Formats: sequence, C-alpha cells, structure tokens
Amino acid sequence: AQSVTQLDSQVPVFEEAPVELRCNYSSSVSVYLFWYVQYPNQGLQLLLKYLSGSTLVKGINGFEAEFNKSQTSFHLRKPSVHISDTAEYFCAVSTGTASKLTFGTGTRLQVTL
Amino acid sequence: GAGVSQSPSNKVTEKGKDVELRCDPISGHTALYWYRQSLGQGLEFLIYFQGNSAPDKSGLPSDRFSAERTGGSVSTLTIQRTQQEDSAVYLCASSRDTYEQYFGPGTRLTVT
Repeated sequence: AQSVTQLDSQVPVFEEAPVELRCNYSSSVSVYLFWYVQYPNQGLQLLLKYLSGSTLVKGINGFEAEFNKSQTSFHLRKPSVHISDTAEYFCAVSTGTASKLTFGTGTRLQVTL
Repeated sequence: GAGVSQSPSNKVTEKGKDVELRCDPISGHTALYWYRQSLGQGLEFLIYFQGNSAPDKSGLPSDRFSAERTGGSVSTLTIQRTQQEDSAVYLCASSRDTYEQYFGPGTRLTVT
C-alpha cells in the first residue's frame, strides 16, 4: 500500500514571494506522482505529474516540482506567487494507469498582499 | 470539450433516506472513479469502473454504498439509509486509461 504525507496544513505567504509545499510518500512499488489544486467550491485540477524521465517537472501556472527518489519526496515550488494562487493543494500517488489515486491531506496556500 | 459533470451539485437529505448521485464522464473515457472528500478523512477513494465493470470496490465504506455504470458512460452512486457521517463532497473523475484523471465539481451531500 502507498501513503502520502503533507506535513504543512497551511502555508501563509506574501504575494510575489517564493513558496514550497512539501510532499513525502511511501510505497513498496514504483509510483507516479501528481499535484492537484482545488479552488473554493470546485473540483480538482491537475497542476503537474511525474511519470518517468527528468526529475524536474513543470506544470501550469508557473509551478514546478522535483522528484527525489532517495528522499521519497515530490515538493511543489513556485518562484513568485500571486493572490490567485490561494487554494488547497493536494499531492497524490498512483501505481499505474487505471489506478486509484491516494491523496495527502492537503496544504492550504494563503497568499496575501 | 465538456468536462466531467455531476448532479445534483448540492443535496440535503434526512438521516435514513436513500440518495443517488450522478456522474457524467468525459465522452470516450473508459475509466471512472468515485472519491469522497470530508473534513475528518480527507480525500478517499471509493470505487473504480473500467467500462461497466468495477474491478476495485475496496474503498466503499459499508454495504449501504453501491455504484453502477451503464453503457460505459453515466455512473450512479447510491447511499442507502444515510447517516450523518456520510456528509461529504462526493467527487467523480474519469480517465482515458492514462495516468491523468479529470475531476468533476462534486456533489455536496448534507445529512441532517
């Protein structure tokens, strides 16, 4: 079985500052890693995914994440956040195509002026 | 094109009543998933369909929960004899057998 840990439940940050949202996972098999964003009263939108290849993946809205196998981490970063980035961010893993996603508990990113 | 749609968007029901939640996946997506999002439990997997069959039902919390999918398209999640702990947002996602799942806006269920 696999699990995902997002240690930070909330991350406050000022607009235009950089941000990192942490994600660690555990699994006995190879996993595929995802970050989803959820805006208020909306469903989940895929930000980026790591399937294989380059460990640095770039996604939408200027976000990027780096897969670190030795540290079993997949931290999400953005060099300069905007007010509109305020949302809930979920890290997730799956073990293959047509496979369920296992989610972390989410990190609330609050961007203020 | 059209995304995943779910209905109703909100449902308030009395404890003990049955409810049906509907999901319309993206056309051509053969895989369909149901998840539940609640304050206490976070995002939990409920059931996965491939076509009309459900090879993974491991997340259904009790036998009060059931789901079906017809014509390889629309899916219905049914909760019988609802309890207050069933209150949550129920999310549906579909996939064209790739790693990426596309989520609907969810149905917010409130059991009073």
